[in-house]
Amino acid sequence: NAGVTQTPKFRVLKTGQSMTLLCAQDMNHEYMYWYRQDPGMGLRLIHYSVGEGTTAKGEVPDGYNVSRLKKQNFLLGLESAAPSQTSVYFCASSYPRTGRTTEAFFGQGTRLTVV
Amino acid sequence: AQKITQTQPGMFVQEKEAVTLDCTYDTSDQSYGLFWYKQPSSGEMIFLIYQGSYDEQNATEGRYSLNFQKARKSANLVISASQLGDSAMYFCAMRSLRGAGSYQLTFGKGTKLSVIP
Repeated sequence: NAGVTQTPKFRVLKTGQSMTLLCAQDMNHEYMYWYRQDPGMGLRLIHYSVGEGTTAKGEVPDGYNVSRLKKQNFLLGLESAAPSQTSVYFCASSYPRTGRTTEAFFGQGTRLTVV
Repeated sequence: AQKITQTQPGMFVQEKEAVTLDCTYDTSDQSYGLFWYKQPSSGEMIFLIYQGSYDEQNATEGRYSLNFQKARKSANLVISASQLGDSAMYFCAMRSLRGAGSYQLTFGKGTKLSVIP
């Protein structure tokens, strides 16, 4: 059971560099999310997608872009990394809202450090 | 807009004792779901328990139960018979089940639980 898989698990970037985080899920979930986790801040939603080809901004979208070209994949891009983007990034997926239990399944996280 | 408040940054509990982790929420929606997740030091997010706003009974999952008080907008997690493996961060989250807010899963800032032998 792969579930939700994030690539890479760790990354160190220099300020100004770009990178893409890949999230893949094999549960045929419609919804996918990208969160960042910072100490004392909980999980904050960056962007989300309710289906293939659609994306929307969450609480903290600045500095990030996303794409969902295939239902099973959700990519998070940093065009010009800044030290403020040092964080742990989580991808999650879930069924649509009509289900009784609509819990999100999470990937293992990506620890990103921008120096 | 949805908001989750967890007022206890950290808590201690003696092994084998019960502990309650507080969660209050704010929403104008009538139909919503409440979730609790556990995050051990290894970092993964583990789903624990779910409560729907229209569920008449409080949810239970093994040693976990959710004390849902709709009028007070609270959804406290109760862990019975604490174990050392319960030491972790615990997050309360909610999601509307209808309407424009139904896509977003909103989290609180978490409570760090430490179980003392």
